[in-house]
Amino acid sequence: SQKIEQNSEALNIQEGKTATLTCNYTNYSPAYLQWYRQDPGRGPVFLLLIRENEKEKRKERLKVTFDTTLKQSLFHITASQPADSATYLCALSASGGTSYGKLTFGQGTILTVHP
Amino acid sequence: AAGVIQSPRHLIKEKRETATLKCYPIPRHDTVYWYQQGPGQDPQFLISFYEKMQSDKGSIPDRFSAQQFSDYHSELNMSSLELGDSALYFCASSPLERGDNEQFFGPGTRLTVL
Repeated sequence: SQKIEQNSEALNIQEGKTATLTCNYTNYSPAYLQWYRQDPGRGPVFLLLIRENEKEKRKERLKVTFDTTLKQSLFHITASQPADSATYLCALSASGGTSYGKLTFGQGTILTVHP
Repeated sequence: AAGVIQSPRHLIKEKRETATLKCYPIPRHDTVYWYQQGPGQDPQFLISFYEKMQSDKGSIPDRFSAQQFSDYHSELNMSSLELGDSALYFCASSPLERGDNEQFFGPGTRLTVL
């Protein structure tokens, strides 16, 4: 069965450092890999999407890489700030058919950035 | 910018009652998804609609049904509620015609079944 694992349940770092979150998957060939941020009791917020034929994507302080051979994505937040503290969810989706668009989420990593 | 609207935001029901959750997608988004998120869990896909037709179904109990209306809003109907149905229910919308499928989530409805 499809499985998505995010490297750790919790990650604590100091302000100004780079946070690196890992997402590994098995039994899946996703067309898209997405990262979302979720604050307690709120809906996930889309951050970045990377396609299966892309290696890297950047947006401001965020960077995501996608290695379909390793079946892994890395998500980096540079110059982290306490406001970046949240749960970060990795999500995969297929390329076509009736399952197009449906997101399968990892269990999330709780990031805490200490001042 | 307009966001996804969900109502009600909070709902308390007794076991065996019914509940209806509503979702109003972002204007011009033609696809709606429903997800269920239990305490400490990741969101689980329930069902989706594209252009008012059901497009995919996940682990949605037979007690639940949903539809998308002509104005693209969607309703999730839940009957014979059980304690285990207590969760956050998110609706998300997406403009699939653009090719990418990033999803825009609503604030969620917190359902508590007593």
